[in-house]
Amino acid sequence: GIQVEQSPPDLILQEGANSTLRCNFSDSVNNLQWFHQNPWGQLINLFYIPSGTKQNGRLSATTVATERYSLLYISSSQTTDSGVYFCAERRSQGNLIFGKGTKLSVKP
Amino acid sequence: DSGVTQTPKHLITATGQRVTLRCSPRSGDLSVYWYQQSLDQGLQFLIQYYNGEERAKGNILERFSAQQFPDLHSELNLSSLELGDSALYFCASSVSGRPDTQYFGPGTRLTVL
Repeated sequence: GIQVEQSPPDLILQEGANSTLRCNFSDSVNNLQWFHQNPWGQLINLFYIPSGTKQNGRLSATTVATERYSLLYISSSQTTDSGVYFCAERRSQGNLIFGKGTKLSVKP
Repeated sequence: DSGVTQTPKHLITATGQRVTLRCSPRSGDLSVYWYQQSLDQGLQFLIQYYNGEERAKGNILERFSAQQFPDLHSELNLSSLELGDSALYFCASSVSGRPDTQYFGPGTRLTVL
């Protein structure tokens, strides 16, 4: 079955620093989403990115489908970026398989 | 705001009890998914409905059941609750269930004492 692995599991940054989060897949990418879970537990859609590159403000994501990985870039990090970042791959039935997440802490 | 609503936000109950969680999808979305997030299991898919019909099942216990009504809202019923059922339960919706974005509700935090 599909396995989704994220790295690193934990990341501590100083405000203003940049970071790269990685997501590896065991199967060919069909549908990939990145989410941010804020400290209140809410899951916020960041990107739907089965392939290519997208940017939204300080965040951007790149998926290389042929090599089965996706990267999430956070530039000029802010304390509000803290939380857990999940990537998720879609199964053929439509449901998402989530990685274990990367817990990001941005210090002021 | 994703447009997906879930009620209640918090639920505290005792072992052995039964609860019902409610989800209203985004306007126009036909697919509803239920996920459970616990500390030990992470985010796991439970069940999917599409336009009132069950479409897919994941790691859903037999004590749990769900349905989607004609107005497309969905309910997740959890019975004979155990301590280990304490978790955050999310509902998500998408237009068709084909490859497209799933939008998540705010979740219901269930605590079983």
